[in-house]
Amino acid sequence: SAVISQKPSRDICQRGTSLTIQCQVDSQVTMMFWYRQQPGQSLTLIATANQGSEATYESGFVIDKFPISRPNLTFSTLTVSNMSPEDSSIYLCSVEYRHKDRVGEQYFGPGTRLTVT
Amino acid sequence: AQSVTQPDIHITVSEGASLELRCNYSYGATPYLFWYVQSPGQGLQLLLKYFSGDTLVQGIKGFEAEFKRSQSSFNLRKPSVHWSDAAEYFCAVGAEAAGNKLTFGGGTRVLVKP
Repeated sequence: SAVISQKPSRDICQRGTSLTIQCQVDSQVTMMFWYRQQPGQSLTLIATANQGSEATYESGFVIDKFPISRPNLTFSTLTVSNMSPEDSSIYLCSVEYRHKDRVGEQYFGPGTRLTVT
Repeated sequence: AQSVTQPDIHITVSEGASLELRCNYSYGATPYLFWYVQSPGQGLQLLLKYFSGDTLVQGIKGFEAEFKRSQSSFNLRKPSVHWSDAAEYFCAVGAEAAGNKLTFGGGTRVLVKP
């Protein structure tokens, strides 16, 4: 499996500000995903980030609020813009492996716990 | 659209007892099915997966799951629970036709009594 790191691991931010979360993988991967896990809730997919193309956002998520970069095959960033307390969540990145029987297998980073005050 | 239901929000089991977590999915074709575990303050760890073939799959930490197409279920089992199994468990479904995006169930929190 991949080694995936995220920075920062946690942060407390003021409303109205923005935070950029970094996701680094120790090997090249095609597909990267960003998820949100609100307190006590399950995971919801925000967007799919492919290298060399615009991110694809899920219903309810927009690029102006959650801009994503994917400059190469091992790195991606998610920015949470103009934050409000409702954005307080854990944000997780994941990568997908596509090798023979491991098609569709996703591995997750440790997450970034964001609190907005 | 694919969906996943985990009917049990909380389950409490005694250490050494067996555990079964339920998962029902909805998808037109045969999906990929996964179980993940999230320990307190940790990220998600993949326990096991089903893509095709043998419907009984073995995973890590002594877990297994059985895919039953007729019941649209993928229940997770462990014969003897350890205190370290206390965590949140998520069932997820993906499909190549959906770009392998995962849809997660609501999760089941497992508490282990000594």
